[in-house]
Amino acid sequence: GEDVEQSLFLSVREGDSSVINCTYTDSSSTYLYWYKQEPGAGLQLLTYIFSNMDMKQDQRLTVLLNKKDKHLSLRIADTQTGDSAIYFCAESVSASGTYKYIFGTGTRLKVLA
Amino acid sequence: DTGVSQDPRHKITKRGQNVTFRCDPISEHNRLYWYRQTLGQGPEFLTYFQNEAQLEKSRLLSDRFSAERPKGSFSTLEIQRTEQGDSAMYLCASSALADEQFFGPGTRLTVL
Repeated sequence: GEDVEQSLFLSVREGDSSVINCTYTDSSSTYLYWYKQEPGAGLQLLTYIFSNMDMKQDQRLTVLLNKKDKHLSLRIADTQTGDSAIYFCAESVSASGTYKYIFGTGTRLKVLA
Repeated sequence: DTGVSQDPRHKITKRGQNVTFRCDPISEHNRLYWYRQTLGQGPEFLTYFQNEAQLEKSRLLSDRFSAERPKGSFSTLEIQRTEQGDSAMYLCASSALADEQFFGPGTRLTVL
């Protein structure tokens, strides 16, 4: 079945790098996404990676994809207190033309000053 | 364009009442999605529209739930005879292409 798993919590010190991990099950996913959600807010798209890539860098964000192991990670360099939020990974699952997203449970990142 | 908007942002209702939420997608986006997010969980897919056609509904969408997109622009999600278990954040997203969904701020429903 479709399932996306993430660890629940991560705590880092300001200025350190954060690495948030995710595993997914649908090997046919075309795109994989990282979203950020701050308290009481909607989802903000951070970055995404196409399934035929193994790495994508976007300023402080680096996404690594291991398609064989169905493992996705998000690295945030020089983590700031403003990065404190819940981070969701999502896989895009295509069925009969519907590209619905399957989300993980989210990783709560806490950045300590 | 200001992005996906949802109304209301918050709704408190008593068990058994009907509620209706509205979503206005980014203009020219022909694909519209509804998701539900409960506390401590990631969003779960509810239903999908391409233009005005509802093409997929999740098993989560019981017969008390109905969604419409009458002219292929805004969409409404109605919950009849609300139950406490319906308390959640209801998120709407839209996209122009097959992927890259843009999410609205959500409607938080509390059923007393």
